[in-house]
Amino acid sequence: DTGVSQDPRHKITKRGQNVTFRCDPISEHNRLYWYRQTLGQGPEFLTYFQNEAQLEKSRLLSDRFSAERPKGSFSTLEIQRTEQGDSAMYLCASTSRETQYFGPGTRLLVL
Amino acid sequence: QQPVQSPQAVILREGEDAVINCSSSKALYSVHWYRQKHGEAPVFLMILLKGGEQKGHEKISASFNEKKQQSSLYLTASQLSYSGTYFCGTEISNNQGGKLIFGQGTELSVKP
Repeated sequence: DTGVSQDPRHKITKRGQNVTFRCDPISEHNRLYWYRQTLGQGPEFLTYFQNEAQLEKSRLLSDRFSAERPKGSFSTLEIQRTEQGDSAMYLCASTSRETQYFGPGTRLLVL
Repeated sequence: QQPVQSPQAVILREGEDAVINCSSSKALYSVHWYRQKHGEAPVFLMILLKGGEQKGHEKISASFNEKKQQSSLYLTASQLSYSGTYFCGTEISNNQGGKLIFGQGTELSVKP
């Protein structure tokens, strides 16, 4: 257990539905990252926050994706109008310096 | 920009050694190594910074050759618990916000 938690751990949804994931980082960590990982691949960067400010978004993050980190604590990642191609493991990581500690991930399956 | 890992997969007997390489086409600021077991999150192993020293703990160590833009992870006297997929994550500078670009992974299987 790294101290980073994610909820839910698994989510099955139908195409077109909206889903929201939550990440609770290690409390003193000011940076929070979202990655997406598909089977057989390494994690791919989606976006990151420094405190409550979202400083970068990957081109992978289409308009259907939005992320927030209100008050610089937990973060949420929402996917609207889900597509089958969104099926993946969504990983959250946090850090205060260089080392990123990953949460257990949310596995999303879009039917 | 994605680093290339080699080999893609390796099978070992307990007690054998292995080397996993991570090569980048761009100059690197840092290399981060993680191990991931099936269905679980990546677990941090070590970080190597530009200009830093070779790192290691227990029987796992790593090196960073800045000129070759390459890092190698050394696993000696492998144990069953070393099985998993190893990923290198790279940063090309220290002003990219710390985002990591990961390789495609190396699957390591240690057999009794």
